[in-house]
Amino acid sequence: DAGVIQSPRHEVTEMGQEVTLRCKPISGHNSLFWYRQTMMRGLELLIYFNNNVPIDDSGMPEDRFSAKMPNASFSTLKIQPSEPRDSAVYFCASSLESSYNEQFFGPGTRLTVL
Amino acid sequence: AQSVTQLGSHVSVSEGALVLLRCNYSSSVPPYLFWYVQYPNQGLQLLLKYTTGATLVKGINGFEAEFKKSETSFHLTKPSAHMSDAAEYFCAVSDHNYGQNFVFGPGTRLSVLP
Repeated sequence: DAGVIQSPRHEVTEMGQEVTLRCKPISGHNSLFWYRQTMMRGLELLIYFNNNVPIDDSGMPEDRFSAKMPNASFSTLKIQPSEPRDSAVYFCASSLESSYNEQFFGPGTRLTVL
Repeated sequence: AQSVTQLGSHVSVSEGALVLLRCNYSSSVPPYLFWYVQYPNQGLQLLLKYTTGATLVKGINGFEAEFKKSETSFHLTKPSAHMSDAAEYFCAVSDHNYGQNFVFGPGTRLSVLP
């Protein structure tokens, strides 16, 4: 199994630019999560999907952030416009639906906004 | 609401010494509990989990954790630390009242001294 795949692994962009992060969950998993990790705030859940439907987006910091899951094998997290404070590592995770099933994490995308 | 506390943001042990990383949680119902490890520049990897049954749970790399309901704790231990255990460790809790929303602790960085 290839695990959760994220791209790009590193992204450097300038303030004001649009950034799109991509995630391919593990085949067969029906839940997908986007997290952000920073030194200051630790690991934060941004949004999660169940069967491609957003269930909880209360962690999305503001309207500049949006996430989509057009099908079971692909999700995007978009930031438009990006700001320096968005610099962080963004993780995607997937799991089988249930609160007792572990989440499998991707390697993350390190985003730097200059 | 769920919450997780991890006592000690940084723990140092000597190689061969006991590793003890503390996790306490709050949950209104019996929780599901998880320990994840994060090596530098990598995603989170599941070490072990407790759902039901035996309260002493064994995981990968020689780690184990014990669920103590009376103490609302789920401490992680390893009898003898290896240099390769140096990493960040996260405790997480979920329960069926909150769907699949994991709540992660702030993490504990483990250093292993030669």
